[in-house]
Amino acid sequence: DVQMTQSPSSLSASVGDRVTITCRASQGIHNYLAWFQQKPGKAPKSLIYHASNLQSGVPSKFSGSGSGTDFTLTISDLQPEDFASYYCQQYDHYPLTFGGGTKVEIK
Amino acid sequence: EVQILESGGGLVQPGGSLRLSCAASGFTSSDSAIIWVRQAPGKGLEWVSGIGVRVDNIYYADSVKGRFTISRDTPKNTVYLQMSSLRVEDTAVYYCAKGRGSGWNGGDTWGQGTLVTVSS
Repeated sequence: DVQMTQSPSSLSASVGDRVTITCRASQGIHNYLAWFQQKPGKAPKSLIYHASNLQSGVPSKFSGSGSGTDFTLTISDLQPEDFASYYCQQYDHYPLTFGGGTKVEIK
Repeated sequence: EVQILESGGGLVQPGGSLRLSCAASGFTSSDSAIIWVRQAPGKGLEWVSGIGVRVDNIYYADSVKGRFTISRDTPKNTVYLQMSSLRVEDTAVYYCAKGRGSGWNGGDTWGQGTLVTVSS
């Protein structure tokens, strides 16, 4: 199975900050990586697919990059609605696997 | 509008069975890959099962293989997850999600989830 290691597991940031979350795959997954946002008590929301493509309706403050084994999600100009948990997922191989998640909290 | 609605969750005893439904609206579920993902209380996301456009494209996580069965009812535009031999560790919110195009491809639409509690 492809292991997805996400870091950090949590971070504190202020409104207006820019934050970066990292996801590393245990083997190459080309660009078959997605990012999801989840708020407490809510379903996940798809943000990015194919490592860098924004889902329809997702603001351009979210950006993704990477290929192979190393990927990043960057969120610019953090706003209150962005404080949530974020997960990466690889879909190059079954079983599909998620990273452990990153909780973005208000400082 | 593309929407997904899960149902069928509830309280079940260990060893029992439950069938979850994933009803699609605004799209034809048989034209899309559909996956089930679960989240145990306070934990992260875990992929459970998926069904592709082709009938033979069916996949399961090792943790549920042999106990869970995914299927599709095309006329009802619904995907099911039949769960049997349930264990306490299967307790979670179960989400259904729609793929992009004919594969998963990171998905694009999620349901609101349905809670399964396995307890005596």
